[in-house]
Amino acid sequence: EAGVTQSPTHLIKTRGQQATLRCSPISGHTSVYWYQQALGLGLQFLLWYDEGEERNRGNFPPRFSGRQFPNYSSELNVNALELEDSALYLCASSLEFHSPLHFGNGTRLTVT
Amino acid sequence: AQRVTQPEKLLSVFKGAPVELKCNYSYSGSPELFWYVQYSRQRLQLLLRHISRESIKGFTADLNKGETSFHLKKPFAQEEDSAMYYCALSLGTGNQFYFGTGTSLTVIP
Repeated sequence: EAGVTQSPTHLIKTRGQQATLRCSPISGHTSVYWYQQALGLGLQFLLWYDEGEERNRGNFPPRFSGRQFPNYSSELNVNALELEDSALYLCASSLEFHSPLHFGNGTRLTVT
Repeated sequence: AQRVTQPEKLLSVFKGAPVELKCNYSYSGSPELFWYVQYSRQRLQLLLRHISRESIKGFTADLNKGETSFHLKKPFAQEEDSAMYYCALSLGTGNQFYFGTGTSLTVIP
């Protein structure tokens, strides 16, 4: 089975710009999660989508937003980029409640 | 509040020595606990989950509700075990996963 795919692999933006990151879950998975992996901070939960709805969000400002499409793929948008937004953004999908997460390779966002 | 704590950022052991990666969690309900591993240049992947009670690549982890711990153990470390290990907790509601900050394990040949 194809795994979780994320695009682009790398993204370089300047401060104040907007970034859009994309994720395609494993076929059949309806839940998509977004995590930020900043150096030394582990994985910080950003957003959880299931069946097209935002189910939960982590402790991040509103300029971090996203959506899930009818085909269960997802977008993460980060507006008004700040230098500290530079991180690896991981997407994961899962099949059902309490099922393990399957991760993509991530998008490396660099804000200059 | 930090739900999952991994007290060691870095851990080095010699090949063949036992290894234990510590994980403590804070949750009063019935948790679902996982260990994920990230090898160099590979994606984060599931290593094991407590509910399956299986041994993967020689690793085991026992849930100790009294000590709220889920330590990962292996009796004889191998060089290929060198990786980043994350402990994760899934709560009963919200299907939200909380991850620890990770432990980087280096197995010295």
